[in-house]
Amino acid sequence: EAQVTQNPRYLITVTGKKLTVTCSQNMNHEYMSWYRQDPGLGLRQIYYSMNVEVTDKGDVPEGYKVSRKEKRNFPLILESPSPNQTSLYFCASSFQGAQQNIQYFGAGTRLSVL
Amino acid sequence: QKEVEQDPGPLSVPEGAIVSLNCTYSNSAFQYFMWYRQYSRKGPELLMYTYSSGNKEDGRFTAQVDKSSKYISLFIRDSQPSDSATYLCAMRGYSSASKIIFGSGTRLSIRP
Repeated sequence: EAQVTQNPRYLITVTGKKLTVTCSQNMNHEYMSWYRQDPGLGLRQIYYSMNVEVTDKGDVPEGYKVSRKEKRNFPLILESPSPNQTSLYFCASSFQGAQQNIQYFGAGTRLSVL
Repeated sequence: QKEVEQDPGPLSVPEGAIVSLNCTYSNSAFQYFMWYRQYSRKGPELLMYTYSSGNKEDGRFTAQVDKSSKYISLFIRDSQPSDSATYLCAMRGYSSASKIIFGSGTRLSIRP
């Protein structure tokens, strides 16, 4: 089954404790992206990757890191989480070009930073 | 001003009604226009997308784009309770480097 898998689904942590949210896709997609979703603000892009070892900042990259060492994996790293990073996070993947319109999303990770 | 504006709702209609969901945008470079549906506790999934202006129909769903007015719509005919979800419009430019910009979503509830 074609899917994007995020882990964990729910996470409660404390300020300053490093964490990683994993994302894996099995569709051989070149393009992968991380979004955060907040009430009234919709989906905002954090980072994206056009292919292995190619990453770039989205609209709200501050406080986040990513890496793309393998095509299927695109982890999101919060080195020192703060309460304003409490949000619902989605990983997405797609093929390039016009197919980029067809984004496949994971089920989401709900993060609370206390 | 946001690049993409979408009425957050919530919108509640009886089963069988025609639903109209809308977005406006400011960037004339947008060429691709998408509608995603998001059920509670799930990730968004693509419903349909159109390129440039015009209409596109898929079953009970019709997407319309009016580039002259910078206005897009999604119509749902014969609405069903299973259509209850948040609907997000999204758009991007022609270039492969162009990012998708999402609206904030409209929450729709279909009453049986």
